[in-house]
Amino acid sequence: GNSVTQMEGPVTLSEEAFLTINCTYTATGYPSLFWYVQYPGEGLQLLLKATKADDKGSNKGFEATYRKETTSFHLEKGSVQVSDSAVYFCALSRSGGGADGLTFGKGTHLIIQP
Amino acid sequence: DAGVIQSPRHEVTEMGQEVTLRCKPISGHNSLFWYRQTMMRGLELLIYFNNNVPIDDSGMPEDRFSAKMPNASFSTLKIQPSEPRDSAVYFCASKGGSYNEQFFGPGTRLTVL
Repeated sequence: GNSVTQMEGPVTLSEEAFLTINCTYTATGYPSLFWYVQYPGEGLQLLLKATKADDKGSNKGFEATYRKETTSFHLEKGSVQVSDSAVYFCALSRSGGGADGLTFGKGTHLIIQP
Repeated sequence: DAGVIQSPRHEVTEMGQEVTLRCKPISGHNSLFWYRQTMMRGLELLIYFNNNVPIDDSGMPEDRFSAKMPNASFSTLKIQPSEPRDSAVYFCASKGGSYNEQFFGPGTRLTVL
C-alpha cells in the first residue's frame, strides 16, 4: 500500500537558517504529493503541492520538487523565520488534487529560535 | 467563507458513552473526509464521501465507528460505545469546486476516560 516517511524531529533551527525536511514515499502509479502545515490548535493548511514528476511546488518561500527516481519530495526554505514554527506533514494522494483520501507522514515538528 | 466547521471543539466523555462529532463542509464542496490524529499513529483517513455517498470506509477502525452524510452540508462521525483508545483529534476536510486541495476544519479533541 501507500506510505510516506518523513523525519519526525523536533527540528530546532535558528532564525534565517536553511531548512530541509526529508520526505520519501511508496506508492503505485503516479501519486500527487503535498506538504501541509499545522499551527498549534489549528487544522492543517496546504502549503504546496506537485502532481507529476519534476514539478516544483512553492509557496511562502518554501519549495519541494517531485523526484520520481528517488521517490522523494523534500521540503526546503532558504531562510526560516520564527513564524515558521509548526508541524509539517508530507502527504500523497493516488489521484490528482486529493480526490481520494490523503496518506500522511508522521509529521515533523519545526522549532525556530530567534 | 467560514471554512469547514466542526463541533464540538472539545469533548470529554466516559468509557461506554456514545459520542457524536459533527462537520459542516464548505458550501459547494462535494467531497468530505474524516481523519483521526494520534501521537502513535499520526494522521489516518477513516472514511470519505463523494456527493454524500461513502466511497471508502476501510480506515474505520471497527464497528463501533459509523459515519453518515445525510446531505451536502452535514456529516457525523459516531462512536458507540467509546473506549479510552479512541482519544484523539478528529479532523473533517472537504474538497470541491475549482480548488484542487482538501480544506481542513479545526478538529475535535476527544478524550475518553
